[in-house]
Order: sequence, then C-alpha cells, then structure tokens
Amino acid sequence: SQTIHQWPATLVQPVGSPLSLECTVEGTSNPNLYWYRQAAGRGLQLLFYSVGIGQISSEVPQNLSASRPQDRQFILSSKKLLLSDSGFYLCAWSDPFGITEAFFGQGTRLTVV
Amino acid sequence: QKEVEQDPGPLSVPEGAIVSLNCTYSNSAFQYFMWYRQYSRKGPELLMYTYSSGNKEDGRFTAQVDKSSKYISLFIRDSQPSDSATYLCASYLWGSNYKLTFGKGTLLTVNP
Repeated sequence: SQTIHQWPATLVQPVGSPLSLECTVEGTSNPNLYWYRQAAGRGLQLLFYSVGIGQISSEVPQNLSASRPQDRQFILSSKKLLLSDSGFYLCAWSDPFGITEAFFGQGTRLTVV
Repeated sequence: QKEVEQDPGPLSVPEGAIVSLNCTYSNSAFQYFMWYRQYSRKGPELLMYTYSSGNKEDGRFTAQVDKSSKYISLFIRDSQPSDSATYLCASYLWGSNYKLTFGKGTLLTVNP
C-alpha cells in the first residue's frame, strides 16, 4: 500500500533562517507531487507541483522553492524565512494515470518568529 | 471572485442532526468535485468525489453536484461527534495534473 511521510510535524524558525521540509512517498511510482500551504482563514493554497524528477511548476510567487531529486521525494525550501511564511504545509501525491484521490501527508506546522 | 467559495462557519449541531455543507464554484469547466475531511492538526483525507452532476452516497454521507447552478453539497445523516472536523470542498479540471482548487473549509462541531 502507498504511504506518504512528511516531517517534521512542528517547526519553529527565526526570521531569516533557511528551511527544508521533506516529503517521501512509498508504494507507487512516478506520482504527481504537490506542496500546499494552509493559512488560517485562507484555505489550501497550491504552492508547487511536480509531474516528474526535476520538473517543478510554481503556482504562487513567493519566498519558497521546491525540488524533486528523486521520483518519490519532494523538498520545500527557503533561503531566508519571512514571518509571512508561517503556516501549515502539506505534501500530497496523486496517481498521474487515473482519476484518483490526492493523498495528503500529516503536515508541518511552521512558525516563523 | 474565488473559484471555489465555501462558508467557513463554524457550524455547530447536536448529535443525530442532518448536516448540510455547501460550496459554489465559478469555473464551469470543472468536472470533478471532492469533499475532504480534515481533523485538527492533520492532513485532509478524501471523503467522496463525484464526476459532473448528480448524487453519490456512501453510508451516512451524500455528495451532490448541480452543474447548472455550480453548487456542491455534502449531507451528513445521523451526525456523530466523530464527524467534528473541517470539511473542504474541492474542484478539479481533467488534464490539469490534478491541481485541486479548494474552498476555505467549514468547521463542523457535532455536540453529544
């Protein structure tokens, strides 16, 4: 069966510090991968999605970047965090070949102080 | 205009009540419609999805889509305290690499 791992669950970082959040998927090949951010009162916002290794599409201009170094690994990064980067970050995957659900990780709650 | 609009609530009901959660969408090209449930501090999980217009039932949950009015509904019968969560509607355009467009979510509390 497929599983998605996302860590850490909680993170407190000072303004100006770097960020690296990692997501890995098991039990499937060539998944579509996604990073969402969920801010209070603003719903789920798609940040990046990837349909293959090294292929990253950005949905929203921001202080963040994403990389997919391996088929089932998706990384969200920032060189210098801003206060506005605080939020709940969710990784998700979907099967690219059919109409199936998007499976979400458990999320990382990031607080920038 | 947001592509998917959802009343954030909060909505509080007694146990056993019928709950109606609703969304509207603006993009008439959307073809697939989903409802996700999200417990506090957890990732969303898919409850149901429907294609085009019509109803879909799964146990106590019924999803309904009316494409003519661009209206999405989720009904929960015999609501339970364990149903207390945030419910997110989402729409999807075929061929868009599964880029879901979410509503803001409705916080539901079912009181025992």
